[in-house]
Amino acid sequence: QVQLVQSGAEVKKPGASVKVSCKASGYTFTSYYMHWVRQAPGQGLEWMGIINPSGGSTSYAQKFQGRVTMTRDTSTSTVYMELSSLRSEDTAVYYCADSLGEFDAFDIWGQGTMVTVSS
Amino acid sequence: QSVLTQPPSASGTPGQRVTISCSGSSSNIGSNTVNWYQQLPGTAPKLLIYSNNQRPSGVPDRFSGSKSGTSASLAISGLQSEDEADYYCAAWDDSLNGSWVFGGGTKLTVL
Repeated sequence: QVQLVQSGAEVKKPGASVKVSCKASGYTFTSYYMHWVRQAPGQGLEWMGIINPSGGSTSYAQKFQGRVTMTRDTSTSTVYMELSSLRSEDTAVYYCADSLGEFDAFDIWGQGTMVTVSS
Repeated sequence: QSVLTQPPSASGTPGQRVTISCSGSSSNIGSNTVNWYQQLPGTAPKLLIYSNNQRPSGVPDRFSGSKSGTSASLAISGLQSEDEADYYCAAWDDSLNGSWVFGGGTKLTVL
């Protein structure tokens, strides 16, 4: 079945970077776009950006421009989200989610990866 | 401060019908379709309604969506205890460089 499996929880110090992975299975990896969405503790959902696994093109939310990098590895059907210059406000659960088209609904979600930023 | 506005909470008794509103603007709901997500406690969000009023396979027909102008609504009829969850609306926003925007979420309590 279609599923997205994310890497495990991370604890990072302020100023560091974190790289979260999302491995897709059960469908043609290059046929779906992949989004990253985060959720701070007790808060709502926030869209970070999108990557097209087919060509690797990306588009990031203005808030994260310059701090986020999304990449993909087609040989392992995995996308990555790296966030740099971490601060305490980046403490959140990070989700990957796929969509058929760039402007389509987020169909399948990963289980989430907790990233804690603390000194 | 979320771009889309939802009531923070809603409630109903089993069997009742409840609605959750989502208010936006001309750059998001006014010109693009609305999707709804359900997030059960401690789990990842799940797609509930797409393109304003379409249900993915497996979503009961107790859930329905609608849109008018710059607002949208999610209706749940025949409320069940397992419907207790957070509900989020989302839409593409054409302003600035374009981005997906969400409502702040509505916590539904089944009394």
